[in-house]
Amino acid sequence: DAGVTQSPTHLIKTRGQHVTLRCSPISGHKSVSWYQQVLGQGPQFIFQYYEKEERGRGNFPDRFSARQFPNYSSELNVNALLLGDSALYLCASSANTGGSNQPQHFGDGTRLSIL
Amino acid sequence: GQNIDQPTEMTATEGAIVQINCTYQTSGFNGLFWYQQHAGEAPTFLSYNVLDGLEEKGRFSSFLSRSKGYSYLLLKELQMKDSASYLCAVRPFDYKLSFGAGTTVTVRA
Repeated sequence: DAGVTQSPTHLIKTRGQHVTLRCSPISGHKSVSWYQQVLGQGPQFIFQYYEKEERGRGNFPDRFSARQFPNYSSELNVNALLLGDSALYLCASSANTGGSNQPQHFGDGTRLSIL
Repeated sequence: GQNIDQPTEMTATEGAIVQINCTYQTSGFNGLFWYQQHAGEAPTFLSYNVLDGLEEKGRFSSFLSRSKGYSYLLLKELQMKDSASYLCAVRPFDYKLSFGAGTTVTVRA
């Protein structure tokens, strides 16, 4: 079975631009979470969506937004890009919102570089 | 806020045992996870603890003490392929994971 897939793999943008990152969860998984990972740090929680509803938001500015589609895939949008947004953006899916022992399974991420 | 601490780096010899400690102070607790992340790759799930005690999965074991806010990941019979970053993550609420900065383990021949 396919794991979590993310696109694109790599992306280069300039300051002020906008970017959309995409994620397809594992088949049957209804929850998608987004994380930002800066080099040398652990992933930082951005959003979680479950059944197309936002269930949680991390400490990120309003420039970051996301949505989940009826097929449970998801998009992360970042507006007015800053140099500090350069990071690996990880998508993770789980069967539900994460209760019980349901782990989150991560995709390979999108490496975003801001010039 | 969430505070999760783990050592930055550890080095061990092939065939040896390494223990990676994790201490946490979080606003809630619904489980603790350990993930392995090789350079340039996605984190992969290793273990889950929600009750106190030891969980064993092959060469990897994880321990939790909720009263002490403490966990460790034990890697036995180290192999070269175990060289990676190991991430401790606490689930303070159902919808998020809070990660430590990760411990880079280097296995030497």
